Amino acid sequence: KNQVEQSPQSLIILEGKNCTLQCNYTVSPFSNLRWYKQDTGRGPVSLTIMTFSENTKSNGRYTATLDADTKQSSLHITASQLSDSASYICVVRDPEGGYNKLIFGAGTRLAVHP
Amino acid sequence: SAVISQKPSRDICQRGTSLTIQCQVDSQVTMMFWYRQQPGQSLTLIATANQGSEATYESGFVIDKFPISRPNLTFSTLTVSNMSPEDSSIYLCSVEGGNTGELFFGEGSRLTVL
Repeated sequence: KNQVEQSPQSLIILEGKNCTLQCNYTVSPFSNLRWYKQDTGRGPVSLTIMTFSENTKSNGRYTATLDADTKQSSLHITASQLSDSASYICVVRDPEGGYNKLIFGAGTRLAVHP
Repeated sequence: SAVISQKPSRDICQRGTSLTIQCQVDSQVTMMFWYRQQPGQSLTLIATANQGSEATYESGFVIDKFPISRPNLTFSTLTVSNMSPEDSSIYLCSVEGGNTGELFFGEGSRLTVL
């Protein structure tokens, strides 16, 4: 069964520190992987999309990596800010589904404390 | 990008009643997607709404419980019928856009059923 698993489930860090969130997937064949940020009470917003040929992609203080061999992705947040407090969701396209069938991870809930 | 407006943003409803959620997009789109996000869980696709045809429902979701309308290319509604406390969730409207197939989400409608 195609799955997406994220770790840790939740994380607390101090403002200014770095952190790394993990995403493991079992989807095959792989098409793309996306990271979304969801602020409390808001809809998810895309941070980055990784395709098979991409290893690293940055979006400001967010850097995503992809290892297609081990089927792992990570999201690294540098110099965290209070506004980074949110849920971070890893999403992979389901090859067995329809046109827009996506598999969502349960998310990592990040809290940045002053 | 796409700007998506959802109404209501939140509501508290009584068991057995129905609630209709509206989704307005600032551009014409072929498909609109409705997701449910139960407390502490990942997003689950309810159905895909195409303009001019019946919505396509995912396993576990039926039209009698979640009727959907799609009267034009910028608007859709999702009704949650005969509600029970188990229907308490955030309901999100989404469209796909851009060259990478990025999903854009509305702010969500937080529903609490008493």
